[in-house]
Amino acid sequence: SQTIHQWPATLVQPVGSPLSLECTVEGTSNPNLYWYRQAAGRGLQLLFYSVGIGQISSEVPQNLSASRPQDRQFILSSKKLLLSDSGFYLCALRQPSGNTIYFGEGSWLTVV
Amino acid sequence: KQEVTQIPAALSVPEGENLVLNCSFTDSAIYNLQWFRQDPGKGLTSLLLIQSSQREQTSGRLNASLDKSSGRSTLYIAASQPGDSATYLCAVRPADSSYKLIFGSGTRLLVRP
Repeated sequence: SQTIHQWPATLVQPVGSPLSLECTVEGTSNPNLYWYRQAAGRGLQLLFYSVGIGQISSEVPQNLSASRPQDRQFILSSKKLLLSDSGFYLCALRQPSGNTIYFGEGSWLTVV
Repeated sequence: KQEVTQIPAALSVPEGENLVLNCSFTDSAIYNLQWFRQDPGKGLTSLLLIQSSQREQTSGRLNASLDKSSGRSTLYIAASQPGDSATYLCAVRPADSSYKLIFGSGTRLLVRP
């Protein structure tokens, strides 16, 4: 079965600093990969999704970017963090032939 | 624009009680609906997925139903236990999307011993 690894699990960064959150998956090939953000008291917001290496679609205009350098690696980045970037970031996957979405354990980002 | 609503936002019940969590969506053109559980500070765990052509799915003490025409789904938890305490989220996949899930804000459940 597939597994999703996210790191770091927790991160405190100053405003204006760069960001890199990494997601790697195991047990599947050519998955659809997703980055979601969950802000306090709010639902999950889809940020990016990817159907293959180098293929990234953005859902909302924002301070963040995503990259997929390898089939099982999905990276969320920012050049300069804003206070509003604080939140819980979740990586998720869907297997090409499946319907169920599976989530990683998430990364907590606090921008101070 | 599809919107997903979950009511109530929070629920507290004594152990052993049967309970129902509600999820409603504004556009009935969905591909499927998925229920998740989220423990505090953790990721989401998939509980049940119902395809648009299905009426219900069962897993252990959990039963999820779907009434697509009325835009409603329920998650029924039988004989609740303190370990069921968590936030429960529903999400719909629109029929015109191959990738997107639209989430509700969740129901925070507390099962008291």
